[in-house]
Amino acid sequence: GAVVSQHPSRVICKSGTSVKIECRSLDFQATTMFWYRQFPKQSLMLMATSNEGSKATYEQGVEKDKFLINHASLTLSTLTVTSAHPEDSSFYICSARDLNRNEQFFGPGTRLTVL
Amino acid sequence: QKEVEQNSGPLSVPEGAIASLNCTYSDRGSQSFFWYRQYSGKSPELIMFIYSNGDKEDGRFTAQLNKASQYVSLLIRDSQPSDSATYLCAVNRYSTLTFGKGTMLLVSP
Repeated sequence: GAVVSQHPSRVICKSGTSVKIECRSLDFQATTMFWYRQFPKQSLMLMATSNEGSKATYEQGVEKDKFLINHASLTLSTLTVTSAHPEDSSFYICSARDLNRNEQFFGPGTRLTVL
Repeated sequence: QKEVEQNSGPLSVPEGAIASLNCTYSDRGSQSFFWYRQYSGKSPELIMFIYSNGDKEDGRFTAQLNKASQYVSLLIRDSQPSDSATYLCAVNRYSTLTFGKGTMLLVSP
C-alpha cells in the first residue's frame, strides 16, 4: 500500500503558541489531502480538504484562520494550529488520496497536547 | 444529512469465531464503502472497500453491501486476539469520507 508520513508524531506546547504538522505522501502523488481530528472515543471528524495549488476547503465549524493549511506540492500538506489552546488538544490525522486509485491512505497521526 | 451509524460495542467473540460488524448509512448517493481498523492510539488502516452490491472477500475478511437497505457489514472469520481493535465504517461520496464512530471488537483467547 501507499505510505503517508506525518511529523511530528507527538507535540506538547504551551497555550498561545503555534504548531505546524506536516503530512507527506512518500511513494505516490496526492492532489488531495485531508485533515481529520479525533477526540478520545470519538470518530474521525474531517476538518478540511487540501488541494494542491489551491485554497483548502474547510468543513462547517472549523476556523480557517486558526487551522492554516498549505498544500504546496503533490507530496506535502501542512496544518498549522495557530494560538493553540488546551481545547485544541487532540489526535490530528492526515490522509492522502492516490491520483490513480480511489483510496485514502492515512498518516500515523500527530498527538497534540496544549498545556 | 450524512450519517453513518455503527454499534459502539464492545463486541466480544472467542478466538476462532466469526465476528460480524454492521454499519448503516443515510446518504443514498454514497458511492463506495470502506472498512478501517484502528488500534488504540494509532491511525486507521484500510482493511477493504466495496462498491457493488453483494459480497467481497479478502482473506479472512468479507465485506457485504446492500444498497437498497443502506447496509454494509464486515465479517471476520477465524478471529484472532490481534483482531481486537475498533473497526470504522466509512462512506464515500465525491471523494469525501464520512466515518462512523466505530465498533470495538474484543477477541478473547
